[in-house]
Amino acid sequence: GEDVEQSLFLSVREGDSSVINCTYTDSSSTYLYWYKQEPGAGLQLLTYIFSNMDMKQDQRLTVLLNKKDKHLSLRIADTQTGDSAIYFCAERNNTDKLIFGTGTRLQVFP
Amino acid sequence: DTEVTQTPKHLVMGMTNKKSLKCEQHMGHRAMYWYKQKAKKPPELMFVYSYEKLSINESVPSRFSPECPNSSLLNLHLHALQPEDSALYLCASSQDRGLEQYFGPGTRLTVT
Repeated sequence: GEDVEQSLFLSVREGDSSVINCTYTDSSSTYLYWYKQEPGAGLQLLTYIFSNMDMKQDQRLTVLLNKKDKHLSLRIADTQTGDSAIYFCAERNNTDKLIFGTGTRLQVFP
Repeated sequence: DTEVTQTPKHLVMGMTNKKSLKCEQHMGHRAMYWYKQKAKKPPELMFVYSYEKLSINESVPSRFSPECPNSSLLNLHLHALQPEDSALYLCASSQDRGLEQYFGPGTRLTVT
């Protein structure tokens, strides 16, 4: 079956790095995504990684993929208060549907 | 233009009303999606249109009726909804089915 799990909550100090983790079960996933959702808003696509890669960096964001362990992480460097939001990982399954994780609420304090 | 727009932003309707949600994109995307999102939960897929044809219906009740009049527009017609249908309704589009999806801001629907 398809199951994407994330820890519910992460609290970090401004300026520190944040690491949000995600585990998935579908080994046939081709693309994995990270979305950000601020309160009352839609989902913003942050970045994505193809399953044959193990790392992708985009400015303050670094995505790591461990395909053997089916583990995905998003590292945000120099976390700012504007990064406070819910972060969803998602996998694209073999019918091209997005399966979303449970979401991690990131809180950044000064 | 990398924006998906949705109207209205908020909608309150009674259980006997008929209303429609609208979604528009001008990115030339050929796949469009409706999702329902309840508070503190991830989005749940409802419908997928690919090249203006319905390709996925996730067993959504018939009181939700999607329509894709052209490649830029996607509607969701609502009739005889229940209070438990209150949620944030999100539209998304992608260049083709299966590629990265871009979301609109959503319509916050309250059914009284």
